[in-house]
Amino acid sequence: NAGVTQTPKFRILKIGQSMTLQCAQDMNHNYMYWYRQDPGMGLKLIYYSVGAGITDKGEVPNGYNVSRSTTEDFPLRLELAAPSQTSVYFCASSYSTGELFFGEGSRLTVL
Amino acid sequence: GESVGLHLPTLSVQEGDNSIINCAYSNSASDYFIWYKQESGKGPQFIIDIRSNMDKRQGQRVTVLLNKTVKHLSLQIAATQPGDSAVYFCAENTGTASKLTFGTGTRLQVTL
Repeated sequence: NAGVTQTPKFRILKIGQSMTLQCAQDMNHNYMYWYRQDPGMGLKLIYYSVGAGITDKGEVPNGYNVSRSTTEDFPLRLELAAPSQTSVYFCASSYSTGELFFGEGSRLTVL
Repeated sequence: GESVGLHLPTLSVQEGDNSIINCAYSNSASDYFIWYKQESGKGPQFIIDIRSNMDKRQGQRVTVLLNKTVKHLSLQIAATQPGDSAVYFCAENTGTASKLTFGTGTRLQVTL
């Protein structure tokens, strides 16, 4: 099992550009999450999903969109990149209300 | 390069000593708590968890203590090793779907 796989690992965007961060898990987990982590801070929840076709906002959803068409995949879309979105993004999954398994992170810089 | 934890509180311990990392949580209704370890450039890794109906749980070299009266969580690491050097986060489950709320983290530095 690969666990939670995130791509790309690094990306530099210009202000106003769009991109999608990919996340896939092979553990057949129903729950998936996107967090962002700014320097010196803990992780903040952007969006989460409790199953295919169901998504909901977390603490900091503005500027992002998600979709969950399959159990395995949970992409995060940035439509108009802003410098405030420079961060490290972590995708995670869980079987139910328990331990989250995290990917290695995607480091995004918006210039 | 290092992008996490530039201004985190830091705990320095000597190799072989015990470490105690503390965390204050915010929601008295939280019923599940987790400690994560994050090494530089990596995602958080699960260490140990505890449910609110317990006040202590032990793992291999680690113990988590929960004091619901003062909303305090601690992680004890016995015989700290250089490989324990990392940033440690506590997280609380504040609702359904494992919507974890993370603390700001503590950096553990192990000196030889």
